[in-house]
Amino acid sequence: AQSVTQLGSHVSVSEGALVLLRCNYSSSVPPYLFWYVQYPNQGLQLLLKYTTGATLVKGINGFEAEFKKSETSFHLTKPSAHMSDAAEYFCAVSDPMDSSYKLIFGSGTRLLVRP
Amino acid sequence: DGGITQSPKYLFRKEGQNVTLSCEQNLNHDAMYWYRQDPGQGLRLIYYSQIVNDFQKGDIAEGYSVSREKKESFPLTVTSAQKNPTAFYLCASSTDREGNQPQHFGDGTRLSIL
Repeated sequence: AQSVTQLGSHVSVSEGALVLLRCNYSSSVPPYLFWYVQYPNQGLQLLLKYTTGATLVKGINGFEAEFKKSETSFHLTKPSAHMSDAAEYFCAVSDPMDSSYKLIFGSGTRLLVRP
Repeated sequence: DGGITQSPKYLFRKEGQNVTLSCEQNLNHDAMYWYRQDPGQGLRLIYYSQIVNDFQKGDIAEGYSVSREKKESFPLTVTSAQKNPTAFYLCASSTDREGNQPQHFGDGTRLSIL
């Protein structure tokens, strides 16, 4: 069964610093991978996704993520944090072999941005 | 604009009461999903439907029921059998036929016990 691990329930960075949010998955088959952002009392918004092709994926708001099959990872990065990036971030996977197309979510990482 | 509308935004349930959460989408998506979100636990799948008049249990279906009579609507009923219903409930939809399309989310309903 698929599972997703997000290391660090809380990450704190200074404004302008690098943002790195970690995501590892367990699967015998490379899954489809997604990063979502959630602001307080709102739904989830897609940041980026990886399905096939180029392993470095660029998303909205300056975020990007790199799929590393050998490390079973899909870490999210942003070169320079902005106060508006403070939110909760979820990594999710979908198993290409599962016809239900369910998303399996990590437990989330709350990003705090210090002025 | 196309999107997913969840209502109400806040809902309170009395002991022994069933309550229904509404989810409507105008994206013409075939698949719809209900998730429960608890602090520090991410999202857990309750039910999903890939086509009208058909739905499947997710990982935590006990105490919940759904229907899918119309493509655009997927209401969730939290029954009195659900002993710990306090949570944030999110509805999502997708055009997915291969697993590689993202799910689109509504803004959620927060359910509390009176």
